Amino acid sequence: DAGVIQSPRHEVTEMGQEVTLRCKPISGHDYLFWYRQTMMRGLELLIYFNNNVPIDDSGMPEDRFSAKMPNASFSTLKIQPSEPRDSAVYFCASSFRQSSYEQYFGPGTRLTVT
Amino acid sequence: GENVEQHPSTLSVQEGDSAVIKCTYSDSASNYFPWYKQELGKRPQLIIDIRSNVGEKKDQRIAVTLNKTAKHFSLHITETQPEDSAVYFCAASDTGNQFYFGTGTSLTVIP
Repeated sequence: DAGVIQSPRHEVTEMGQEVTLRCKPISGHDYLFWYRQTMMRGLELLIYFNNNVPIDDSGMPEDRFSAKMPNASFSTLKIQPSEPRDSAVYFCASSFRQSSYEQYFGPGTRLTVT
Repeated sequence: GENVEQHPSTLSVQEGDSAVIKCTYSDSASNYFPWYKQELGKRPQLIIDIRSNVGEKKDQRIAVTLNKTAKHFSLHITETQPEDSAVYFCAASDTGNQFYFGTGTSLTVIP
């Protein structure tokens, strides 16, 4: 398996623009998580899905952030409009709960908003 | 909610020495404690985990201990090697969904 796939790996955009981050979880995994990592706040859970259904989005910082999972193999995290304080590394992770709690992380998307 | 504290924030050891990283948690309902290793510019990867029904777990040079009464758990790395240099994160969870991560320990192994 190729592992969790994220795209793009790097994104540079101007303040006010819409940003869409993409994730393909490991095939067969039933949980998908979106995290944000910054030096100041560390690793924060933004939202997670179970069987494509959003379960807990309490970590989403503002209404500017939204996430979808239209099917078991694809999820997006959208920021509209983007702000400089959104600059961070965004990780997607997936897990297969019936085997373990381990979350497998993707390579991350480094977002820079200027 | 859960609060996980991790110490130290940085740690330097000589190659071959042992390294110990400690974490405390606040929620007695937490029952799963993973440790992730993140190399510079890379993704976090699980290196070892422990459930609350176990006091210690070992995997070659890595071990984790858990004290449920005191609500703390530790990562022990023996015979450290330069490739052990990375940032290590502890986490606590009660359901396996919400992972509460510590702030990370930057470990440097000096050859």
